[in-house]
Amino acid sequence: QKEVEQDPGPLSVPEGAIVSLNCTYSNSAFQYFMWYRQYSRKGPELLMYTYSSGNKEDGRFTAQVDKSSKYISLFIRDSQPSDSATYLCGRAAGNKLTFGGGTRVLVKP
Amino acid sequence: NAGVTQTPKFQVLKTGQSMTLQCAQDMNHNSMYWYRQDPGMGLRLIYYSASEGTTDKGEVPNGYNVSRLNKREFSLRLESAAPSQTSVYFCASSEVPNYGYTFGSGTRLTVV
Repeated sequence: QKEVEQDPGPLSVPEGAIVSLNCTYSNSAFQYFMWYRQYSRKGPELLMYTYSSGNKEDGRFTAQVDKSSKYISLFIRDSQPSDSATYLCGRAAGNKLTFGGGTRVLVKP
Repeated sequence: NAGVTQTPKFQVLKTGQSMTLQCAQDMNHNSMYWYRQDPGMGLRLIYYSASEGTTDKGEVPNGYNVSRLNKREFSLRLESAAPSQTSVYFCASSEVPNYGYTFGSGTRLTVV
């Protein structure tokens, strides 16, 4: 079983809709989580970073961690065509950051 | 700020050839990383350097070597390239391990 699992998509939504992205992880060691956005042919860029259970908001983005279910989520409100990208979840523990396979999101105007 | 700079951006190698991928960061970060990205596999850690003078293996180190030349530079070497090493390679850096990685724009390597 991979340490971090993510549905590859693609996930297609109309402009203005809420985008909901999920990851599951398998290890319960002390850890923190992050979400990266990657545009085509570019390197990933950090969106959100959290280590506790519950929600963290940053503008249109909300990251949610449910440690009891080993589930992490990213919600994008009022989605825009510029949000079309691949979203990667990451789990950091010790000196290692492990990524899920990424979910491709397409926001249609 | 340039951030993390990777060279070259594209490379085609023949099986058995060697090459070094270069990475430099100008943010005075302590930790540096090399990842490869393949379709459906996500980013997989090849090697990392938690601080200057140290390097450690990641998830997929076989066929690669690294050198942390100084605090700014971290190179990845393929001694004898194989088609299985066809991938996009990303270098990243962070001030402390695992926090706020900054990625370069990648090197697209094809081994034929």
